[in-house]
Amino acid sequence: SQQGEEDPQALSIQEGENATMNCSYKTSINNLQWYRQNSGRGLVHLILIRSNEREKHSGRLRVTLDTSKKSSSLLITASRAADTASYFCATGANSKLTFGKGITLSVRP
Amino acid sequence: DVKVTQSSRYLVKRTGEKVFLECVQDMDHENMFWYRQDPGLGLRLIYFSYDVKMKEKGDIPEGYSVSREKKERFSLILESASTNQTSMYLCASSAPTSGSRYEQFFGPGTRLTVL
Repeated sequence: SQQGEEDPQALSIQEGENATMNCSYKTSINNLQWYRQNSGRGLVHLILIRSNEREKHSGRLRVTLDTSKKSSSLLITASRAADTASYFCATGANSKLTFGKGITLSVRP
Repeated sequence: DVKVTQSSRYLVKRTGEKVFLECVQDMDHENMFWYRQDPGLGLRLIYFSYDVKMKEKGDIPEGYSVSREKKERFSLILESASTNQTSMYLCASSAPTSGSRYEQFFGPGTRLTVL
């Protein structure tokens, strides 16, 4: 069963701009993760935020979590053409993760 | 450098054939997973395994089986391939939750076409 739902489905921005992607989920979670997938490749883990955390940073990435609204956002600052990829949120209650359908981000040079 | 490898990047099979997809990880992870990815549907979990010889059904196990005889290897088996099993198949592994390490490491994927 699909848990995370990302929004928007597709996003196109200019290099240097910030990209904000949102994820909503339905049930209680232990953690929420964001992954990136370059075209035709496997997924790569970006960042994990635990249910008792509200915000986390990693380089140009900032993720927030609002458990009362059951939502998360991923912000990529100062985007680069190399950030062009699909981004997935995944919710975890134990070792198992449930992935959303993904957001396609295009960063124009 | 941690690694999950899959036996083939591209595979073409005929309807009715038995298909084996192999996945190997070198991180001594207990947990291993098989997903399929289809446009508009995202990743869907087929089967997963918490330990050698243990397996549990995911969300879409029908038409598939798995084998985990060794800790590092997790095989996905299509008993009789059908055209609706044409998809991208992704393998992943992760450490036990007791270590607070929920991150999954993915292989590069196998794009399977069933004719």
